[in-house]
Amino acid sequence: EAGVTQFPSHSVIEKGQTVTLRCDPISGHDNLYWYRRVMGKEIKFLLHFVKESKQDESGMPNNRFLAERTGGTYSTLKVQPAELEDSGVYFCASSQGGRWGTEYEQYFGPGTRLTVT
Amino acid sequence: AQSVTQLDSHVSVSEGTPVLLRCNYSSSYSPSLFWYVQHPNKGLQLLLKYTSAATLVKGINGFEAEFKKSETSFHLTKPSAHMSDAAEYFCVVSGPYTGGFKTIFGAGTRLFVKA
Repeated sequence: EAGVTQFPSHSVIEKGQTVTLRCDPISGHDNLYWYRRVMGKEIKFLLHFVKESKQDESGMPNNRFLAERTGGTYSTLKVQPAELEDSGVYFCASSQGGRWGTEYEQYFGPGTRLTVT
Repeated sequence: AQSVTQLDSHVSVSEGTPVLLRCNYSSSYSPSLFWYVQHPNKGLQLLLKYTSAATLVKGINGFEAEFKKSETSFHLTKPSAHMSDAAEYFCVVSGPYTGGFKTIFGAGTRLFVKA
């Protein structure tokens, strides 16, 4: 069974540019999560999809971040325009389960390391 | 409200000696608790989880953790460290809040294992 995959593994962009990160969850997992770890800080929750719906997006830092999950399969996280403080590692995770899902194990992807210069 | 505190940012042990990584949590409800490990350039891997069953939880690679409600702790232990255990470890609490569930990570503990 394939795990959670993320693309790209690394991205280096200039301030003001746009970047789109992609996450493919484990097949059949309705719950998909995005997290971010800024250098030296904790891993922070960004948002949670249940199928194609945003269940909780309270962790999204501002409106420069846009997440989508078309058809309830893969998800994209777009940062536009990118700022220096957006640099960090963006993790995606998926889990099975019902409406909430977070009581189940979350399977994590390897992360995308984003560097904004 | 929920929170999780990993009491040590770095722990250094010698190979073959016990490992103790400390975690305290705060939750208004009965939470689910997890320990994840991240090796360099890898994703986070689940070591073990507590979801209101047995308070002593056994995980992979010889790790275990004990849920102590009275102390609000969920410390991770291993009787004998191996060089391959060197990694960063995260204590995670997940539980209900108004309107849904929250998953909160501790700041991480980096484990160093000396030969």
